[in-house]
Amino acid sequence: DAGVIQSPRHEVTEMGQEVTLRCKPISGHNSLFWYRQTMMRGLELLIYFNNNVPIDDSGMPEDRFSAKMPNASFSTLKIQPSEPRDSAVYFCASSSGLAGLAQETQYFGPGTRLLVL
Amino acid sequence: GNSVTQMEGPVTLSEEAFLTINCTYTATGYPSLFWYVQYPGEGLQLLLKATKADDKGSNKGFEATYRKETTSFHLEKGSVQVSDSAVYFCALSLSNQAGTALIFGKGTTLSVSS
Repeated sequence: DAGVIQSPRHEVTEMGQEVTLRCKPISGHNSLFWYRQTMMRGLELLIYFNNNVPIDDSGMPEDRFSAKMPNASFSTLKIQPSEPRDSAVYFCASSSGLAGLAQETQYFGPGTRLLVL
Repeated sequence: GNSVTQMEGPVTLSEEAFLTINCTYTATGYPSLFWYVQYPGEGLQLLLKATKADDKGSNKGFEATYRKETTSFHLEKGSVQVSDSAVYFCALSLSNQAGTALIFGKGTTLSVSS
């Protein structure tokens, strides 16, 4: 069984450039989560989707960040324009997403390590 | 609000030592509790979980008991191995109408030497 797939694994870009991170959740999972991990702030939830619909985007830091989930098997997180403070590891996770089941396990991808110069 | 507090690391132990990583939580509802582990260069993976008071989660020799009275979920292992070196995250989950989201602690780094 393929797990959560993220691409690219590493991204180095210059300030001001657009960055797009991609995620393919586990087949059949209905919930998808984007997290950001930094040394200073730890793991932060950016946004999550249920059945392709954004449920909570209160963690998205600012308008430079946007996320989409056009179908059940694909999501993108876009940063435009990127800034050095966006440097972090970005994780995507998915779960079976049955509403009300707080005990569900989330399955994480390997992450995208982003460096903005 | 809802939050998770973990003991700060790093925790440095010798092989076969006893491990405790403390975790306490604040929640407005009745959460499920999790421990996730992150090995170097990898994503997080579930280590164990408990969904109601007094439940004990266990896996790979690790255990944690859901203590509602002390709002705690401390992680323990009787004899650690070098391969247990990783970052450990305590987390809680509260359901809402449309789904669930995890709230993580800041993580505790464990380093085990032979």
